[in-house]
Amino acid sequence: GNSVTQMEGPVTLSEEAFLTINCTYTATGYPSLFWYVQYPGEGLQLLLKATKADDKGSNKGFEATYRKETTSFHLEKGSVQVSDSAVYFCAADNHNNDMRFGAGTRLTVKP
Amino acid sequence: DTGVSQDPRHKITKRGQNVTFRCDPISEHNRLYWYRQTLGQGPEFLTYFQNEAQLEKSRLLSDRFSAERPKGSFSTLEIQRTEQGDSAMYLCASRLGPDTQYFGPGTRLTVL
Repeated sequence: GNSVTQMEGPVTLSEEAFLTINCTYTATGYPSLFWYVQYPGEGLQLLLKATKADDKGSNKGFEATYRKETTSFHLEKGSVQVSDSAVYFCAADNHNNDMRFGAGTRLTVKP
Repeated sequence: DTGVSQDPRHKITKRGQNVTFRCDPISEHNRLYWYRQTLGQGPEFLTYFQNEAQLEKSRLLSDRFSAERPKGSFSTLEIQRTEQGDSAMYLCASRLGPDTQYFGPGTRLTVL
């Protein structure tokens, strides 16, 4: 089955800093990869996704590239805002109803 | 709002009581999932429905847990004889075929 390992938090950055949250996966086959974001007291919201190798997912200034050779899907943003403070989850889905999530990385952005 | 909805959003109960949660998926989505999320962890798969058929259950789903999706639309998750270890966020997600899963806001259960 799949497994996902992501960078432990918490991560604290100043506004306009560069963000990287590392995510690596192990999987049989070629899973689709996702980043979800969770704000306090809420469910998970899809942030971006990539379905095959070398695809880049992007949304709201966040980007992640599906790297088959390194089995990675690192999340990046060039300039974070206070409103980006949340918990970020990396996930791998091999479409066999076996979607696995990382443990989550809490990001706090200070003004 | 046409997203996934869950009810209630919060539930506080005493140990030993039964609780039931409801999930209403996005209307055309044929697949529905239940997950459990504990503090500081990612969601863990509990069970999955395709239309009204429950096709998969995790080992996390003890005999005290039961889920139904009687008409292939909304689903319920019941926990009998709740224990303090059942305290968690219960998340529902739906999808159309192999497409992306969309999550509801969750039901936070606290067992005293």
